[in-house]
Formats: sequence, structure tokens, C-alpha cells
Amino acid sequence: QKEVEQDPGPLSVPEGAIVSLNCTYSNSAFQYFMWYRQYSRKGPELLMYTYSSGNKEDGRFTAQVDKSSKYISLFIRDSQPSDSATYLCAMSPMDTGRRALTFGSGTRLQVQP
Amino acid sequence: DTAVSQTPKYLVTQMGNDKSIKCEQNLGHDTMYWYKQDSKKFLKIMFSYNNKELIINETVPNRFSPKSPDKAHLNLHINSLELGDSAVYFCASSQEKRGQYFGPGTRLTVT
Repeated sequence: QKEVEQDPGPLSVPEGAIVSLNCTYSNSAFQYFMWYRQYSRKGPELLMYTYSSGNKEDGRFTAQVDKSSKYISLFIRDSQPSDSATYLCAMSPMDTGRRALTFGSGTRLQVQP
Repeated sequence: DTAVSQTPKYLVTQMGNDKSIKCEQNLGHDTMYWYKQDSKKFLKIMFSYNNKELIINETVPNRFSPKSPDKAHLNLHINSLELGDSAVYFCASSQEKRGQYFGPGTRLTVT
């Protein structure tokens, strides 16, 4: 079993929909959680960075962490065709300043115009 | 004004050759990483350097050797390339209490 599980998709939604992307994990030591967006043939781009449980909002993006359930989510409001990409969750037991990240395998999102 | 840059972007070479990939970051970060992304898009850590010191060395064949001449640069040298080395290699950098920032990747194809 992988440490971080993520549904590969593809997830197809109409423009303007609310998108929910999720990851589950097994290592209770994970405390720092990130979401990355990766366009085809590009590097991962950091979207959200959160510590421990709770919510964090940035524009159309909201990240949620539920450590008791070992479950994290990324919500995208008013989705746009430009949001079509692969979304990767990543996590670390310690401050990511000096620790490698453990990634999910990514969910491919397609937003239809 | 690129934050993390890598060269080359594409690398096509034959089995048995030796090649290098270069990475530079201008973010002032003190930790740099090499990740490998396989054909299924799964990203896995290979190495991590903090202030030119190796701090993470995952189970990677010793044909792979990282080198950090200073804290803004982290290069990856690969000896005796094999077909299974074909992948996209990403450099990243980070500072405490912030996320990791990735370069654009180097797509290596071994024929």
C-alpha cells in the first residue's frame, strides 16, 4: 500500500463547477501538506501549503486537512478551462525546508468550456 | 527571473553513455533536491542537499551522483545510462516554513 493514495481520474467537470480533489494517507507523522498543479510537460507549481488540521483559502482555492481521518482535500471554485491539469498532493512529517516530500500519484482534471 | 532552472530541457542519449543535468535556483534557498517522475507521473525523491551537504540519499543506483558546488546549484551526473533511467528529472529548492519550488524538468530518453 502506498503512503499517499490519490484517485488518478480523469475528473471531467463543466466550466464554473466546484471541483473537489482528495488524498488519503497512512503515515500519522505527516504534518505539512501541499497541493501542486502540473500542466503537461511542465514542472509542479505550488498552489497551497498548510500545516496540521484546518482550512486555508487562497482565491478560488481552499485546502482542507483532517488529520484524524488522514484525509486532505483541495476545492476549486468557479473552475476554468485553464485549471485543466494534473493536481498532486504532497506531504511531509516535518517542515519542508529540509525534508523530502511524499507525493500522491496525481489526479488529472479536465474543465470543459 | 526564473526561480529554479534546469538544463538541458530534453536529453536523448544511448545506453551506456554518461550525462549530466544542471540545476540553479535564485531564490536564496538553502536546500535543493532531485526528484524523478516516472511514466505514470509518480514523483519520487532521489537526493537532497542542504548548504552543499548531502542529507537525503534514497535507494538510488550509485550510477547517479549529485554534486553541489554551492548552495544555489545542484547537478546530477548519471553514468552508464540504462533504458530504465528514461524519465523526467525535476530539481527543487526550499527554505524552512515554505513549500518546495520545482524547476521545469529535464526529459531524459535513453535509447
